[in-house]
Amino acid sequence: EILMTQSPATLSVSPGERATLSCRASQSVSGNLAWYQQKPGQAPRLLMYGASTRATGIPARFSGSGSGTEFTLTISSLQSEDFAVYYCQQYNDWPPYTFGQGTKLEMK
Amino acid sequence: EVQLVESGGGLVQPGRSLRLSCVASGFNFDDYAMHWVRQAPGKGLEWVSGLSWNSVTIGYADSVKGRFTISRDNAKNSLYLQMNSLTAEDMALYYCAKDLFRFPYAFDVWGQGTMVTVSS
Repeated sequence: EILMTQSPATLSVSPGERATLSCRASQSVSGNLAWYQQKPGQAPRLLMYGASTRATGIPARFSGSGSGTEFTLTISSLQSEDFAVYYCQQYNDWPPYTFGQGTKLEMK
Repeated sequence: EVQLVESGGGLVQPGRSLRLSCVASGFNFDDYAMHWVRQAPGKGLEWVSGLSWNSVTIGYADSVKGRFTISRDNAKNSLYLQMNSLTAEDMALYYCAKDLFRFPYAFDVWGQGTMVTVSS
């Protein structure tokens, strides 16, 4: 089973600033990585797949990069609606699919 | 509108069974793989099970293998999860999720979830 580790656990950033979230896989997942956003009381929402492809309707301020074992989600200029929990997920080797433990992005 | 609506959750005693359902609308259900993902209260996401558009490719998390069975009825636009021998560790909000493609990939549409509570 591939272990996904996200860092930091909590990230405090001011609106308008850049946020950088990291995700590391215990072995290579190639580019088969997705990012999800989850707000309290809501279902997760797909942000990125293929490590760097934005899902339908996702604003351009969200970008993803990386391959192999190291991945990054960047939010270029934080809006109030971006404060949420973010999960990475590998789909290169299944079963099982595995998620990271999440990064909580909070307002500074 | 693309929509997934789960049902079937509730309070169940340890060791008993429960069957979850998910009805899809707004897209060609038989063109996509489907999944169940769960989230225990205050915890992260855990993939439970998934299957391809034609039910040929099926996978389970180790934590549920041998106890849970995923299935789909493309004629009814429905996904199911039969859960047997439930334990307290199975207590969670269960989401139905649509895949991007016919075979397992990433999940682009999620339902609102159905809560499963396991308690005596």
